[in-house]
Amino acid sequence: TQLLEQSPQFLSIQEGENLTVYCNSSSVFSSLQWYRQEPGEGPVLLVTVVTGGEVKKLKRLTFQFGDARKDSSLHITAAQPGDTGLYLCAGETPQGGSEKLVFGKGTKLTVNP
Amino acid sequence: KAGVTQTPRYLIKTRGQQVTLSCSPISGHRSVSWYQQTPGQGLQFLFEYFSETQRNKGNFPGRFSGRQFSNSRSEMNVSTLELGDSALYLCASSLERTGYTDTQYFGPGTRLTVL
Repeated sequence: TQLLEQSPQFLSIQEGENLTVYCNSSSVFSSLQWYRQEPGEGPVLLVTVVTGGEVKKLKRLTFQFGDARKDSSLHITAAQPGDTGLYLCAGETPQGGSEKLVFGKGTKLTVNP
Repeated sequence: KAGVTQTPRYLIKTRGQQVTLSCSPISGHRSVSWYQQTPGQGLQFLFEYFSETQRNKGNFPGRFSGRQFSNSRSEMNVSTLELGDSALYLCASSLERTGYTDTQYFGPGTRLTVL
């Protein structure tokens, strides 16, 4: 069974601080995705990383895929209240002719003004 | 382009009843996946349908079933409801779900409460 462990589970910080969220597994994934989910809504895809060691930037968000494609991190610089939400990582593996997604349990981020 | 729609948004049932949830994918999308989200277990994959056929299935009991129609709309059914079935049920659609470039788009979910 493939599992993704996310840490920390909860994070409450002040506006302007930096933070890092981690996503770890013992399994190798063909790609890893990061989503953000706000209350009352479904998850929205932020980024997909595919190559080991890959780094992608999305404004103040930096995503990194581990060299062995088993782990990933999300770093937010100068967090803002609008960054508040549940951040989910999901590992993708081919199965049954399509792609299967395994999700971590998420990191609930609160950015206080 | 309209997003993924799910109906109903909220549902309250009692133990032993059955429930049917509906999902309309984005126009042109042929793959529909269903997920269960709970605070304790997070997001767990239920099943995926493509061209009216179940292509993948997660580790859920047979009380959970689904189907897809020729217009790609999908329904999932839960029979003999248990308290532990209380969750947010999410539907996601994609073109064909055959690679990481084929993005999944999630609906807002149906919040099911079992009393």
